[in-house]
Amino acid sequence: QKEVEQNSGPLSVPEGAIASLNCTYSDRGSQSFFWYRQYSGKSPELIMFIYSNGDKEDGRFTAQLNKASQYVSLLIRDSQPSDSATYLCAAGGGISYDKVIFGPGTSLSVIP
Amino acid sequence: EAGVTQSPTHLIKTRGQQATLRCSPISGHTSVYWYQQALGLGLQFLLWYDEGEERNRGNFPPRFSGRQFPNYSSELNVNALELEDSALYLCASSRSRTGLNTFGSGTRLTVV
Repeated sequence: QKEVEQNSGPLSVPEGAIASLNCTYSDRGSQSFFWYRQYSGKSPELIMFIYSNGDKEDGRFTAQLNKASQYVSLLIRDSQPSDSATYLCAAGGGISYDKVIFGPGTSLSVIP
Repeated sequence: EAGVTQSPTHLIKTRGQQATLRCSPISGHTSVYWYQQALGLGLQFLLWYDEGEERNRGNFPPRFSGRQFPNYSSELNVNALELEDSALYLCASSRSRTGLNTFGSGTRLTVV
């Protein structure tokens, strides 16, 4: 059974701090990795994707991938209250989305 | 550009009834994916349609079915509704089999 695991949280960080969200996956064949943000009652929104080992930065977001450890993380710098949401990690083994496995999500709360 | 639209927003059905959910992809997108997001669980892949054909289905019983129309819109049918079918049903579309997904706002199905 291919799985993606995340701490459910809630993770609470003060405004302006770095939020660190972690994810592990079981399928060593996974090739693509995604982070989605989902506000309560809303649909998931893709914020980062990463295919290669190392770091990928986009604004305040940095995704980190370590395939040897089967570990993906998302760092959010200068956290804002508007970042409060559930963050879904997903890992895909193929080229199409039907092979993407989603984690249960980590709830992040940024305290003003 | 209009996003992925789903209808209805909310749907209340009685156990044993049938539900029909609809999805219109972003213009130019040919792939449509359906997901179930039950409370406390991650996104579960249901069905994938591309170019009018069902390409893959997730680990769900046959009473979950659907189709894709020539204009690439799609509908999801759930027969013989059970209480545990209560969930948020999300549709996502992509420009091709390998394109990144964009999610719709979902249909909240409640089975009573």
